Amino acid sequence: EMQVVESGGGLVQPGESLRLACSISGFILTDHNIDWVRQAPGRGLEWIGRNRDKAFGFTTVYAASVADRFTAFRDLSQNSVFLQMNSLRTEDTAVYFCARVGRDDRNRHTAPDIWGQGTMVTVSS
Amino acid sequence: DIQLTQSPATLSASVGDMVTITCRASQGINTFLAWYQQRPGKAPNLLIYETSTLQNGVPSRFSGSGSGTEFTLTITSLQPEDLGTYFCQQLNAFPFTFGPGTKVDLK
Repeated sequence: EMQVVESGGGLVQPGESLRLACSISGFILTDHNIDWVRQAPGRGLEWIGRNRDKAFGFTTVYAASVADRFTAFRDLSQNSVFLQMNSLRTEDTAVYFCARVGRDDRNRHTAPDIWGQGTMVTVSS
Repeated sequence: DIQLTQSPATLSASVGDMVTITCRASQGINTFLAWYQQRPGKAPNLLIYETSTLQNGVPSRFSGSGSGTEFTLTITSLQPEDLGTYFCQQLNAFPFTFGPGTKVDLK
């Protein structure tokens, strides 16, 4: 079964750091982009970044709201993608999802098709 | 950034009704639009990608259409399990923005 599982959320104070993990199973991590999406309580979805597959050297594109504070990277030995979040702000409070980006039968990237259950990050003093 | 709007914001319908949700983009996004359903407390579930391609396992009562800046999601016969919030997302250009969502509930 293909799945992704997030972990690492918790309560932190403003200015502190946190590292989230996205552990994958059932598919080959190097072949897929991994998106990070967050959802503040009672709000909509916000795309915050895409960690790209082997063809793009596992580089990451970020939303402007997190670009200078968050870093996504892979550890292939752990079959995981991590999101290092520094200088956290109260407005970063949200459920954080990671999601695999699918591929179609012509091997083109499609859309996030396998999502984890999310991990809650609360930034509060 | 490309902005997405959705209409209506909320929708009340009966089981068996046809439901249509519209997503408009602030600039052309070709056909790189996806639709998701999100039930309360759950992760989003991909329904449709590239405007009209049904994700594996999604019932055929869901369909999508459009191009350029205007897109629609149609549910031909609403079922109780279709309740939730529906989001569109453009995947044409970074950042891959989402629409604000359309909440569907039972009348």
